[in-house]
Amino acid sequence: EAQVTQNPRYLITVTGKKLTVTCSQNMNHEYMSWYRQDPGLGLRQIYYSMNVEVTDKGDVPEGYKVSRKEKRNFPLILESPSPNQTSLYFCASRRTGGNQPQHFGDGTRLSIL
Amino acid sequence: AQSVTQPDIHITVSEGASLELRCNYSYGATPYLFWYVQSPGQGLQLLLKYFSGDTLVQGIKGFEAEFKRSQSSFNLRKPSVHWSDAAEYFCAVGMDSSYKLIFGSGTRLLVRP
Repeated sequence: EAQVTQNPRYLITVTGKKLTVTCSQNMNHEYMSWYRQDPGLGLRQIYYSMNVEVTDKGDVPEGYKVSRKEKRNFPLILESPSPNQTSLYFCASRRTGGNQPQHFGDGTRLSIL
Repeated sequence: AQSVTQPDIHITVSEGASLELRCNYSYGATPYLFWYVQSPGQGLQLLLKYFSGDTLVQGIKGFEAEFKRSQSSFNLRKPSVHWSDAAEYFCAVGMDSSYKLIFGSGTRLLVRP
């Protein structure tokens, strides 16, 4: 089954404790992206990657890091999480081309205390 | 700057009634347009997309949308709403010139029995 898998689905942690949210897709998609969803703001792009070893900032990259060492994986790293990063996070992937729809994971709810 | 506006934060309709969710975008060229639906605890599922051709597009679950260039709109419609349609709906605009997908802030649909 074609899917985007995120882990963990839920996480409660404390300020400053480094965490990683994993994302994996099995569709051989070139493009992957991370979004955060906050009430009233829709989804905002954090980082994206057009292919292996190619990453770029989205609209809200501050406080986040990513890497793309393999085509299927695109982890999101919070080196020193803060409470304003409490949010619902989505990973997505798609084939190359602006008209290609994105496939989303089920989301990761992060709470930073 | 490119933007997407969904003017209705919440909409409540009775089961069996018709539905129209509004979406307006700001972009200089013809964009790629998408509607996604998010059920509680789930990721985003693609309902339909438009990038060229017939301006009335059909999607899954009985939804359709019409692209109106003169109004910069891409409104989502359904002739008869079912209780299972209660969810949050997002309009999104993609551009071939970049890999960005810009989302509206979403419209939450409530369905009265």
